[in-house]
Amino acid sequence: EVQLVQSRAEVREPGESLKISCDVSGYIFTSYWIGWVRQMPGKGLEWMGIIYPSDSDTRYRPSFQGQVTISVDKSLGSAYLQWRSLKASDTAMYYCARLYGSMTFIDYWGQGTLVTVSS
Amino acid sequence: EIVMTQSPATLSVSPGERATLSCRASQSVSTNLAWYQQKPGQAPRLLIYGTSTRATGIPARFSGSGSGTEFTLTISSLQSEDFAVYYCHQYNDNWPYTFGQGTKLEIK
Repeated sequence: EVQLVQSRAEVREPGESLKISCDVSGYIFTSYWIGWVRQMPGKGLEWMGIIYPSDSDTRYRPSFQGQVTISVDKSLGSAYLQWRSLKASDTAMYYCARLYGSMTFIDYWGQGTLVTVSS
Repeated sequence: EIVMTQSPATLSVSPGERATLSCRASQSVSTNLAWYQQKPGQAPRLLIYGTSTRATGIPARFSGSGSGTEFTLTISSLQSEDFAVYYCHQYNDNWPYTFGQGTKLEIK
């Protein structure tokens, strides 16, 4: 059974750093692209970026380039989303998701990680 | 990037009736279009991919159609569990992929 299990909710202050994780199981981690999707409170879904675990080829949506870092640890079967300096506007639910086949639609989603940035 | 526009923003329909949701792309995405359902407090769920192929376990009352820039998700006879927010998603050749802004399907 394919599963994407994300790390727990986080509360941080503005300016702090954060790294959230997505642990996968039930399939060959290096064979599928993994992506991160943001959902701000009461809003829709936004792509942030995707990564191919086999070679760490990473694509960012332009509005997120330089704002976050997406990475993987092949040995652990985990994907990560990282911020160096959080802003209040980063408060959102973040979903990791597996892309079916060769970078297409999302077929499996993580349960989401709620990140709250507040002083 | 390709902009996906969904209409209407909110759709009020009675249980048992048909619901028709629309999604328009700012340029052709061929048939590289998926639909997701999201209920409050839950992650989205894949309903339809390739414009018209139902994902595993999705009831036959859900159907998708269209090509190019105009797409439709139809729910033939609404059940109580179908009231949710629906998103279209294009995954045409070039990154970035994009979602529509969502249509909230509510009980009339």
